[in-house]
Amino acid sequence: DGGITQSPKYLFRKEGQNVTLSCEQNLNHDAMYWYRQDPGQGLRLIYYSQIVNDFQKGDIAEGYSVSREKKESFPLTVTSAQKNPTAFYLCASSIGNRDGRVEQYFGPGTRLTVT
Amino acid sequence: KNEVEQSPQNLTAQEGEFITINCSYSVGISALHWLQQHPGGGIVSLFMLSSGKKKHGRLIATINIQEKHSSLHITASHPRDSAVYICAALNNAGNMLTFGGGTRLMVKP
Repeated sequence: DGGITQSPKYLFRKEGQNVTLSCEQNLNHDAMYWYRQDPGQGLRLIYYSQIVNDFQKGDIAEGYSVSREKKESFPLTVTSAQKNPTAFYLCASSIGNRDGRVEQYFGPGTRLTVT
Repeated sequence: KNEVEQSPQNLTAQEGEFITINCSYSVGISALHWLQQHPGGGIVSLFMLSSGKKKHGRLIATINIQEKHSSLHITASHPRDSAVYICAALNNAGNMLTFGGGTRLMVKP
């Protein structure tokens, strides 16, 4: 079945360590996105990539880095520079539909806790 | 002021009740998503609409482009409908979503 996978579902790290969250899709989508969700708040865009080997900063990119070496994969690294890394991270991918609009598909998310 | 506002933030209903969740936006959009997020965190896209009304089972979504307002209705609500419902506005370029803060719905048996 086609879809987006994120692993692991729960991740625990010590403060000061970098951590990489994986996101893989087999939907053949060109565009991929990373969002962060904090309790009681809406989703905020961290980074997005419209095509392989290209990515753009979203609204809250500081302290994060990404790569897009393959169409299927868009890993997110949470660096030690991110001041409040504990959050729920969602990956998404998108494709234009028949009337030209883009529909995003979401992964199951990774809950990162940094202590 | 957020570009996409939802109301109410929290909603508790009895099983069988008709539920309405509202979404207002202040930006130009090409379409609006309604998403459902269950306690585990995963998000499912319920609807994407740019005009009129869409229906899927007990769920109905409407949008009024002139008034920049959309509603999600749940008929004959059930405890399994308990989730966070999020509206998200798709920009005019069709490649970026702006999310509302979500409405936490609890349906009691």
